[in-house]
Amino acid sequence: DGGITQSPKYLFRKEGQNVTLSCEQNLNHDAMYWYRQDPGQGLRLIYYSQIVNDFQKGDIAEGYSVSREKKESFPLTVTSAQKNPTAFYLCASQNVDIQYFGAGTRLSVL
Amino acid sequence: RKEVEQDPGPFNVPEGATVAFNCTYSNSASQSFFWYRQDCRKEPKLLMSVYSSGNEDGRFTAQLNRASQYISLLIRDSKLSDSATYLCVVRGSTLGRLYFGRGTQLTVWP
Repeated sequence: DGGITQSPKYLFRKEGQNVTLSCEQNLNHDAMYWYRQDPGQGLRLIYYSQIVNDFQKGDIAEGYSVSREKKESFPLTVTSAQKNPTAFYLCASQNVDIQYFGAGTRLSVL
Repeated sequence: RKEVEQDPGPFNVPEGATVAFNCTYSNSASQSFFWYRQDCRKEPKLLMSVYSSGNEDGRFTAQLNRASQYISLLIRDSKLSDSATYLCVVRGSTLGRLYFGRGTQLTVWP
């Protein structure tokens, strides 16, 4: 059935390590988004992509990188430059105005 | 100034109560408006879109006041299952990105 799949559900990062969060969608949506949510806070936009092979920085892109080589996939890499990566990461795809979210990845630092 | 402002609550109401949430947005050129619901440690899900004429979906009524730049959500006959965080969401005027409020936390008690 159609939807957005994020993996893994939980991820632990060691100091100095880069980690990659997966986001796959089979909804045939062009636009995809990555958000970060901290406890008691709203969603903050990290990166977004309106179309394959194109993406733009959001409000908090520093320490993160993305790629969009396929329509279905929009992976997010949390680099060692991101000093406070512990958060709930949400991927979304958009159809016209409405965004649909994956179940999220909880990232913690060891 | 934030794009979308919400009272974070919490709102604690008994079953059967009527509760209302408001939010304000800063960009008068904003295009579309939504309420999303987020359960604890889950992803946000669309509750309803908000139209200029106001719209109703069962116990939920959403209204938009463009002149004052605020959006409201009214929940009648609250159920225990309505306990969640309600996110006010506004689509910006360019590139289709959405702006999320911090959310208003609602707890319905028996």
